[in-house]
Amino acid sequence: GAVVSQHPSWVICKSGTSVKIECRSLDFQATTMFWYRQFPKQSLMLMATSNEGSKATYEQGVEKDKFLINHASLTLSTLTVTSAHPEDSSFYICSARRTGNEKLFFGSGTQLSVL
Amino acid sequence: LAKTTQPISMDSYEGQEVNITCSHNNIATNDYITWYQQFPSQGPRFIIQGYKTKVTNEVASLFIPADRKSSTLSLPRVSLSDTAVYYCLVGDKAAGNKLTFGGGTRVLVKP
Repeated sequence: GAVVSQHPSWVICKSGTSVKIECRSLDFQATTMFWYRQFPKQSLMLMATSNEGSKATYEQGVEKDKFLINHASLTLSTLTVTSAHPEDSSFYICSARRTGNEKLFFGSGTQLSVL
Repeated sequence: LAKTTQPISMDSYEGQEVNITCSHNNIATNDYITWYQQFPSQGPRFIIQGYKTKVTNEVASLFIPADRKSSTLSLPRVSLSDTAVYYCLVGDKAAGNKLTFGGGTRVLVKP
């Protein structure tokens, strides 16, 4: 089955620094990837849709300058949390769907802790 | 996007069948119903998907009535390892079509 790899699985950083999270589709091409954020004991909240070769589409209330998304190739999307603050601490998850496949494949998630 | 409503939590015992019903009253004609399972600190995992009637795979069954305004995920003979959060999602199959998660159902399987 299709695999989506997410890296790193966890990261601890100081307030004010930027953190980059990578999401790769290992055995298929993904023209579209999705980024979610999940707080403890809550559901996944869609942050943005990452489109290969074009700008990401952000959900209402998500700051595009805060959460930079780059989808430079058909197998890689990155999410950069800029100038991270403690309130950005969360579990970030990416997903991708192969064209013609009904399933949405998820990465294993990245736990971000901002001190 | 079609909104889904699920019970917040359910308790069960090993070996029992667990049925989780999801309401999606405003499901669109092109929408499919997909269920995912999520363990703590992991990404969701696909369980099953259907459009109408009944779908069965090696881990679960999905029952969808004719009006498609609800669906029921059935987990036969659960084990402790089935303790997880189960999400019902409704959306179009198109690759670029986003899926929005509802609250999910937290299933606790007891020994």
